[in-house]
Amino acid sequence: NAGVMQNPRHLVRRRGQEARLRCSPMKGHSHVYWYRQLPEEGLKFMVYLQKENIIDESGMPKERFSAEFPKEGPSILRIQQVVRGDSAAYFCASSPNSAGTGYEKLFFGSGTQLSVL
Amino acid sequence: AQSVAQPEDQVNVAEGNPLTVKCTYSVSGNPYLFWYVQYPNRGLQFLLKYITGDNLVKGSYGFEAEFNKSQTSFHLKKPSALVSDSALYFCAVRALGSQNFVFGPGTRLSVLP
Repeated sequence: NAGVMQNPRHLVRRRGQEARLRCSPMKGHSHVYWYRQLPEEGLKFMVYLQKENIIDESGMPKERFSAEFPKEGPSILRIQQVVRGDSAAYFCASSPNSAGTGYEKLFFGSGTQLSVL
Repeated sequence: AQSVAQPEDQVNVAEGNPLTVKCTYSVSGNPYLFWYVQYPNRGLQFLLKYITGDNLVKGSYGFEAEFNKSQTSFHLKKPSALVSDSALYFCAVRALGSQNFVFGPGTRLSVLP
């Protein structure tokens, strides 16, 4: 049973370019979370998605950032017109059940390290 | 609103000694509490969770954590530390019905040989 798969592991972009980060949840999981980790900082929640729905995007910057989780295919975190401050590790996590149960743990991918030159 | 505090950025302990990594939380209603560990260049790995029942929870790699409702704490412990335990440890909380897991800032544990 493959775990949460994120690609690419490392992504280098120049300022102004677009970054696309992909996340395939564990088999059978329909809930995806994106977190950002800045150097020497903790994890910051960005967005929570279910298939074809954004449930909570309260942690997403208002501009340039978007996320989707289509019916088929991986979840995508998209950053337009990247700036140096976007450089960070972006982690995806998945869980099998709805938030209402509360007790399901998250399964994390290995992350994508975004470097903006 | 949910929040998690890990008051120590860094914890140093000698190999073979007991270790404690502290966590306090704030949440409305019953908390679901988790500990995760992150090794360099890796994603977070689940260690243990408290949902209900016995306040002492046992998890992976010999770790355990004690839920203390009156002190709103969920400290991570291990009786005898190993050098291989050196990593970044995150405490997380989730409230019933909440969409989010809220993570603490992390505590870096260094176990010295």
